[in-house]
Amino acid sequence: RKEVEQDPGPFNVPEGATVAFNCTYSNSASQSFFWYRQDCRKEPKLLMSVYSSGNEDGRFTAQLNRASQYISLLIRDSKLSDSATYLCVVDPQGGYQKVTFGTGTKLQVIP
Amino acid sequence: DVKVTQSSRYLVKRTGEKVFLECVQDMDHENMFWYRQDPGLGLRLIYFSYDVKMKEKGDIPEGYSVSREKKERFSLILESASTNQTSMYLCASSFPGIGATNEKLFFGSGTQLSVL
Repeated sequence: RKEVEQDPGPFNVPEGATVAFNCTYSNSASQSFFWYRQDCRKEPKLLMSVYSSGNEDGRFTAQLNRASQYISLLIRDSKLSDSATYLCVVDPQGGYQKVTFGTGTKLQVIP
Repeated sequence: DVKVTQSSRYLVKRTGEKVFLECVQDMDHENMFWYRQDPGLGLRLIYFSYDVKMKEKGDIPEGYSVSREKKERFSLILESASTNQTSMYLCASSFPGIGATNEKLFFGSGTQLSVL
């Protein structure tokens, strides 16, 4: 089993739709979790951290399920500008020294 | 704004050449990283450094070495480039520690290396 697994997509959704991605991880002792966004031919950038209690930032909601070892990202009211690849990141030890990236889920928002 | 600068956006080298990829960050970060990104494989850690002159192997260090003589600069060296090292190389930096201020990776814009 891969350390971090994501559905590669692509997810093609119409503007205004709600879309959700999951990411599973294998190390039950993992400390920290993040979602990064990567636009085509650009570097990844932090979208949001994922806390045990869940967190929300505008149209984006991230949740952690430790029992089932997955994190999720929900995007409401999708915009064309949300089109990107979303990378799940798991930090087993904390401190950002040896994080593991998922291969990413590609989202295409269609007009 | 934090800036991580990679010396080249595109690089073409021949098999067997020695290749230097340079990365400089301007935020006094302790941690610096080199990743490569390949389609279907995602980002994989080559080496990281948590202090000057310190280095640790990542998941795929074979064929690479690194140098960190100054805190702001982290170099990736391909001693003898091979075609399977054709890839996008991304440098990143971060503050250390869980819950540190700005707990995230700051990436450079990447170097697309082609080895012919």
